[in-house]
This record gives sequence, structure tokens and C-alpha cells, in this order.
Amino acid sequence: AQKVTQAQTEISVVEKEDVTLDCVYETRDTTYYLFWYKQPPSGELVFLIRRNSFDEQNEISGRYSWNFQKSTSSFNFTITASQVVDSAVYFCALSEAETSYDKVIFGPGTSLSVIP
Amino acid sequence: DTEVTQTPKHLVMGMTNKKSLKCEQHMGHRAMYWYKQKAKKPPELMFVYSYEKLSINESVPSRFSPECPNSSLLNLHLHALQPEDSALYLCASSEADRSYEQYFGPGTRLTVT
Repeated sequence: AQKVTQAQTEISVVEKEDVTLDCVYETRDTTYYLFWYKQPPSGELVFLIRRNSFDEQNEISGRYSWNFQKSTSSFNFTITASQVVDSAVYFCALSEAETSYDKVIFGPGTSLSVIP
Repeated sequence: DTEVTQTPKHLVMGMTNKKSLKCEQHMGHRAMYWYKQKAKKPPELMFVYSYEKLSINESVPSRFSPECPNSSLLNLHLHALQPEDSALYLCASSEADRSYEQYFGPGTRLTVT
């Protein structure tokens, strides 16, 4: 069973629109970590955020915000006022004690295109 | 310095060749990783080194041989590869002992002919 699901394969938005990328995860561990990474066309993955299972506070960083809800096993990512530079593939990822914290399980990714 | 460097950027090799991919970081990280990424797919973990010891091998074929000469360097030795091994190979590093964020290099685009 897929442990990290990103149901949106591809999303297109017009510049300045807000967009939310969905992430649903599955784990039996009580302690786990969730991540978001961005992979622009250049190929290098860029770390965006890390959240542990005990910290359900939402986070905002500039135009980026994250909504972590343990009750629905979701860790969604919102970009406000999207820009062309936001065009990339975004991966949600999970690490858990059951499989080793060193092993990060990536979701399939959501390809975001921001159209000028 | 939050940079992970990888060389070469591109590599074309025949199925009988032997080549090596190199990765270097100077962030003092004690965990280093090799991933393989095919087009339109997420990265797949291959190997993890923690404190210069191999801690995870994700059942990778023996034609891929990792090496961690010291805490800053990570190599991936390639021998007798198959065309299906063509992919982007990504190196990453992080602090060890807990699930910290990983910093990725730009990758090596490998083509096996």
C-alpha cells in the first residue's frame, strides 16, 4: 500500500492564483516526520519543510503555508499568489520509526505549472 | 555552506564499462544517501551511510557498489550496467540519528548504451 498519496498528478494555475497541493499519508507509528520538497526543472530537490507528528501547528513561510491534520492524516501545502518560479514538481514525504528514520518515503509528486 | 556537489553532471557509459559517481558535502553531516530517479517518478532510495557505515541497502543489484571514504565523500561505483539503469542519480546528506531534512545535490544524469 502506498504510504504517501498525492492524488493530484498535475495542476495548472494562472499566475497570482492560490493553489493547494494535497498529501495524505499512512503510518502506524506515533512518532513520524513529514516533509515537502520541491524539484524545479533543473532537477535538484529543495527542502521546504519538516514537521514531526507531535507538532500540529500550521506553518506559514512567506507565500507558503502548510496545514497538518493528524485526524485526517493529511499534510497539505498551499502557495498563495503563485508565481511562474513556483512551477516544479512537489513531493510530500514521510519517515517513520517502523522502517527507519533514515528511509524517507516519497509520494508520487504533483507537477505544478504556473502560467503567466 | 549548504551545498552538495556531484560529479559528473552527465555520464554516458556502455554496458561493459566501469565508472564512478562522486558526491561531496561540507556541512558536517554524518548521513549520506544515494537515490535513483526515473523520469516523472519520485526518488527511490538506494543506499544510506550513517557515520561512514552502510546502514541501508534497498536490495540494490551488486552492479552498483557504494563507498564512503570519509564523512564528506560518497561514491557510487558502476559496473556492467543495463540500459534500464539509465536515470538521474541523486546524492543527499543530512544530520544523523533522527529524521532530519536532506540536502540534495544536482544529480548525475546517467545514460547506459
